[in-house]
Amino acid sequence: AQKVTQAQTEISVVEKEDVTLDCVYETRDTTYYLFWYKQPPSGELVFLIRRNSFDEQNEISGRYSWNFQKSTSSFNFTITASQVVDSAVYFCALGLETSGSRLTFGEGTQLTVNP
Amino acid sequence: GAGVSQSPRYKVAKRGQDVALRCDPISGHVSLFWYQQALGQGPEFLTYFQNEAQLDKSGLPSDRFFAERPEGSVSTLKIQRTQQEDSAVYLCASSYRKTSSYEQYFGPGTRLTVT
Repeated sequence: AQKVTQAQTEISVVEKEDVTLDCVYETRDTTYYLFWYKQPPSGELVFLIRRNSFDEQNEISGRYSWNFQKSTSSFNFTITASQVVDSAVYFCALGLETSGSRLTFGEGTQLTVNP
Repeated sequence: GAGVSQSPRYKVAKRGQDVALRCDPISGHVSLFWYQQALGQGPEFLTYFQNEAQLDKSGLPSDRFFAERPEGSVSTLKIQRTQQEDSAVYLCASSYRKTSSYEQYFGPGTRLTVT
């Protein structure tokens, strides 16, 4: 069985602070895929990034960066110089070839960026 | 191009009524998914279609839930004899490819309230 844990339920920061959202996953599969999605107040989940289990390279996209560490089963997400528009719920998700195409989501982290 | 669309956006049903929720995936997307998102939780998988074939319905919570995608594009999720515990946001997602390695694009969801 697979599981995704996002231990931080809510995080509140002041604009321009850096913030890291934690994600820990569990699976016995050797091939798997990790995702981050953003859910703003409008409700629509917005895809941010996909990583596969064979690629541990960290990735940076603008103010966003992701740190994938298989040794600790973690796929953490950092926002640098946060902005008010970053306020949303962020979900980490896990996909396995052995469980078809379904995604298993964590419970999400509510990020609030205050001006 | 156009994203995933869902209708209605909001639905209020009296307990015992039947409801039908519609999803229009992104044109050309082979895979279509339904998820249920309870308040404050991450989305939970309900069912998956590859073209018109329903390949996985293991997440449907009871036999009151039924989904179809007869022509391999538009899908309908039907809930019969609605109960209060069915109140949630129902999310539809589509993906270009068949496997979990590809990102899923989500619609805005239908918020169902059963009174």
